Amino acid sequence: AQSVAQPEDQVNVAEGNPLTVKCTYSVSGNPYLFWYVQYPNRGLQFLLKYITGDNLVKGSYGFEAEFNKSQTSFHLKKPSALVSDSALYFCAVRDRVGANNLFFGTGTRLTVIP
Amino acid sequence: SAVISQKPSRDICQRGTSLTIQCQVDSQVTMMFWYRQQPGQSLTLIATANQGSEATYESGFVIDKFPISRPNLTFSTLTVSNMSPEDSSIYLCSVEPGRNEQFFGPGTRLTVL
Repeated sequence: AQSVAQPEDQVNVAEGNPLTVKCTYSVSGNPYLFWYVQYPNRGLQFLLKYITGDNLVKGSYGFEAEFNKSQTSFHLKKPSALVSDSALYFCAVRDRVGANNLFFGTGTRLTVIP
Repeated sequence: SAVISQKPSRDICQRGTSLTIQCQVDSQVTMMFWYRQQPGQSLTLIATANQGSEATYESGFVIDKFPISRPNLTFSTLTVSNMSPEDSSIYLCSVEPGRNEQFFGPGTRLTVL
């Protein structure tokens, strides 16, 4: 069975500091991994994905994520946080040989403090 | 990419009534997905809707409660039937025009009194 864990409901970071939003996963095969962001009263926006290849994936708005197979993690990072990054972040996983749907984590609310 | 619109954006409904949510995509796509996001929770897939075939429902969701139509490659509807307060959620449709990148609509915020 597929599952995704986001251990932190809330992450607070000062503007200009680096940020990390954590995600761990469990799948039966090799995973497809995704990060989405949800701004207030808006739908989900795709940030980045890991399919294969380089473990460090770069995405939209300066975000990146590192796939770590041994730790089954896919943490989202950004070197310097902006106040406009404040939003709800979802990690998602798809089993490479499974169904087409995505399994989402419970979300992490990021607040960047000016 | 794909641009997705949903109608209505929000609604307040009475217990026992039904609401049909529309999802329109700006390009033809084979698969469309309907998700539910309950207050303070993550997204849960309700069903996958392919044009020309019956929707495939996930465990815990049934066609009588959430009938889906997919009349063409750019449009789908989800009906929430015989609503109760527990159905209060955000309902989102999504599409996957290319492999491994889903795009989501803005969602329909439903409140059932």
